[in-house]
Amino acid sequence: DTGVSQDPRHKITKRGQNVTFRCDPISEHNRLYWYRQTLGQGPEFLTYFQNEAQLEKSRLLSDRFSAERPKGSFSTLEIQRTEQGDSAMYLCASSLELAGASNEQFFGPGTRLTVL
Amino acid sequence: LAKTTQPISMDSYEGQEVNITCSHNNIATNDYITWYQQFPSQGPRFIIQGYKTKVTNEVASLFIPADRKSSTLSLPRVSLSDTAVYYCLVDVTGGYNKLIFGAGTRLAVHP
Repeated sequence: DTGVSQDPRHKITKRGQNVTFRCDPISEHNRLYWYRQTLGQGPEFLTYFQNEAQLEKSRLLSDRFSAERPKGSFSTLEIQRTEQGDSAMYLCASSLELAGASNEQFFGPGTRLTVL
Repeated sequence: LAKTTQPISMDSYEGQEVNITCSHNNIATNDYITWYQQFPSQGPRFIIQGYKTKVTNEVASLFIPADRKSSTLSLPRVSLSDTAVYYCLVDVTGGYNKLIFGAGTRLAVHP
């Protein structure tokens, strides 16, 4: 399967614990995005990378959140000291930013986080 | 970024054509209109994108009137598997940067 993959698919943690999610984009894609989605709402943008550079961060991304894409390939999203309000689906997407190419974003299946 | 307004929900039956209209009164000259589809427990999936007039692909058609203040996603002959949430997005980059999703339209297709 050459689509976007995310790991784990589900994560249950206790309040105060740290969690880390991984996203593997489509291999030739140079842009990678993170979104968060709560029940009944559309996805909300968190941050995005072009190669290894983090180009934009949403105000939703508090100091407890950090994202990396160290080699311009896979990315990790870490949440420190989780709170119950962090419970959501965390979605990763990738795209190819190239003149003339489609700007479609391809989404992964998401990681569902439950904070108890 | 232009704000979009679309119906919260719609119902249809198998085999019917479904039209979902999105209002974007404040659309800017350089904005593109993009539609995404999302099934439960999956990430959104790109359906179609347009700038003006009509765009058609193997999945849907997108109709955009001359004033571009609205757009209509048309799904021909829907099946049960078209039950999903449909999002209308408007932005100048056409998706190169962040996507701004609203609450979308929940389409339920009945037998």
